[in-house]
Amino acid sequence: DVKVTQSSRYLVKRTGEKVFLECVQDMDHENMFWYRQDPGLGLRLIYFSYDVKMKEKGDIPEGYSVSREKKERFSLILESASTNQTSMYLCASSLYDRLSANTGELFFGEGSRLTVL
Amino acid sequence: SQQGEEDPQALSIQEGENATMNCSYKTSINNLQWYRQNSGRGLVHLILIRSNEREKHSGRLRVTLDTSKKSSSLLITASRAADTASYFCVRDSNYQLIWGAGTKLIIKP
Repeated sequence: DVKVTQSSRYLVKRTGEKVFLECVQDMDHENMFWYRQDPGLGLRLIYFSYDVKMKEKGDIPEGYSVSREKKERFSLILESASTNQTSMYLCASSLYDRLSANTGELFFGEGSRLTVL
Repeated sequence: SQQGEEDPQALSIQEGENATMNCSYKTSINNLQWYRQNSGRGLVHLILIRSNEREKHSGRLRVTLDTSKKSSSLLITASRAADTASYFCVRDSNYQLIWGAGTKLIIKP
């Protein structure tokens, strides 16, 4: 079974702190994603990566950065956390679907619920 | 970039009944996927249906796709308490994944 592991299920940070959210997948997937999920807004894409050292901005990249130094690991960084970044953060990975030339099935971690005070 | 709607936003049915959720979209797609999310947890993939397919089954799940109407439906037959969750459709369009806001399904015992 594919496993996507997020480093922390719950975090509480203070405004201005630097926050690292780590995500590791064990199935050699090319694609990795970071989403945030807020009530009534569904999932919004922050950043994604389709290869090592590659990254692409999603719909809401402001206030975030990412790092993909190794294929299995995709980190989300909040340089200076703010209260409006309190949210559930979801990491996902997928194979590139060569049959349809599309993203393919996403495998999600359990999520990291971040509270910024 | 959320386009399209899921309908209904919330659905409450008795255990054993069938549940139908619908998803409409605006742009052309390459495939469409359905996911389930139990309360406060990560999402689990249910079914992927390609744009050249019309129907797919997986256990008690049946997904249909009508590209002429730009719509899809997810049918869960003989519902169980464990089916209580939020269900999301995701449109895969030009390497963009477009998420709906989800349908919250409650199965009453």
